Amino acid sequence: EDKVVQSPLSLVVHEGDTVTLNCSYEVTNFRSLLWYKQEKKAPTFLFMLTSSGIEKKSGRLSSILDKKELFSILNITATQTGDSAIYLCAVFKGGSEKLVFGKGTKLTVNP
Amino acid sequence: KAGVTQTPRYLIKTRGQQVTLSCSPISGHRSVSWYQQTPGQGLQFLFEYFSETQRNKGNFPGRFSGRQFSNSRSEMNVSTLELGDSALYLCASSLGTETDTQYFGPGTRLTVL
Repeated sequence: EDKVVQSPLSLVVHEGDTVTLNCSYEVTNFRSLLWYKQEKKAPTFLFMLTSSGIEKKSGRLSSILDKKELFSILNITATQTGDSAIYLCAVFKGGSEKLVFGKGTKLTVNP
Repeated sequence: KAGVTQTPRYLIKTRGQQVTLSCSPISGHRSVSWYQQTPGQGLQFLFEYFSETQRNKGNFPGRFSGRQFSNSRSEMNVSTLELGDSALYLCASSLGTETDTQYFGPGTRLTVL
């Protein structure tokens, strides 16, 4: 059975801290891994990773994929209160055209 | 470019009723996927439509059905509602290729009483 496991499930930090969110997966016919940020309603797209070892960066956020060990990490440096959200990791499963989601990591950044 | 839109944003129904949710994808996107999000199960895949055809289906009962129109707009129908159907229903649109990104709409919050 396909599964995507995120850890930790919940994280509370102070502004300015750096956080690392983890995502491991066991999905047959892997095509890509995506990270989303969900604040109130719709998940908003952050990154799509398809190749191992290539870091993707967007401002204070960065992510990397290890297809040998089947995991990805999402780093957020110098966290701000606006980073408080649920971060979702999903794997795109080829052949079925669907995303398999993890349960998410709830990040709370306190001032 | 306008994003994915979903209507209605909120719905309250009673057990046994049926409901239809609508999703308009980003212009040019031909694939629409539907997901159910609940606190306990997280985001779960319902089905995906591409060019008016259901390409894939998740593990949900037959009470959940959908369709897609020629303009790529999609509807999802749930019949004989149960309390457990209360959830946020999200649709996502994409071009429909394997390396494509799915973009989500704001969701429809369904409450079944």
